Amino acid sequence: TQLLEQSPQFLSIQEGENLTVYCNSSSVFSSLQWYRQEPGEGPVLLVTVVTGGEVKKLKRLTFQFGDARKDSSLHITAAQPGDTGLYLCAGQPPTGNQFYFGTGTSLTVIP
Amino acid sequence: DTAVSQTPKYLVTQMGNDKSIKCEQNLGHDTMYWYKQDSKKFLKIMFSYNNKELIINETVPNRFSPKSPDKAHLNLHINSLELGDSAVYFCASSPGTGPDRTQYFGPGTRLTVL
Repeated sequence: TQLLEQSPQFLSIQEGENLTVYCNSSSVFSSLQWYRQEPGEGPVLLVTVVTGGEVKKLKRLTFQFGDARKDSSLHITAAQPGDTGLYLCAGQPPTGNQFYFGTGTSLTVIP
Repeated sequence: DTAVSQTPKYLVTQMGNDKSIKCEQNLGHDTMYWYKQDSKKFLKIMFSYNNKELIINETVPNRFSPKSPDKAHLNLHINSLELGDSAVYFCASSPGTGPDRTQYFGPGTRLTVL
């Protein structure tokens, strides 16, 4: 099992603030994904990064894959209440077909 | 037009019972998965099937047995349920097994073992 540690575990911020969530591992991944999960629902894919150093932007969300492909970050600019949810990173190791999920970050954006 | 559906949504049962969870996807995907999410929201892969063939089996007790009657269905049968089996079980599907594939998750089945 590949361990992906996310930090922080919980985050509560005011609407309009910026935040960064980290996903760290000692293992190399061939790709890394970020999902958002809302209560009572399954996770929904936000982005996939596959190249070391890659940066992807999705509106107010910026995702980065570490140069060594062992870590990733998610930055949200001007957070909105609709961003509230559980954010999960998931990595696929170079061998094997499975994705291993991170420990999760629960984000609450207060209006 | 539900893409990945699971039944039942909630399942409450006694220890020692046998239960099944059903999953269906109408996306035409070749690959389907079962995940377990525990009380701390940790999501762990259990099984994966590609074209009805088992390709991932992640150290899951033998009491758990997946069955894929066709590419659109992946069911999970659990024998002799234990307290520790209480969790939310998610089914997912994807078009293939590549590193950039999108997994589409179902709404989950909350299993409570008393």
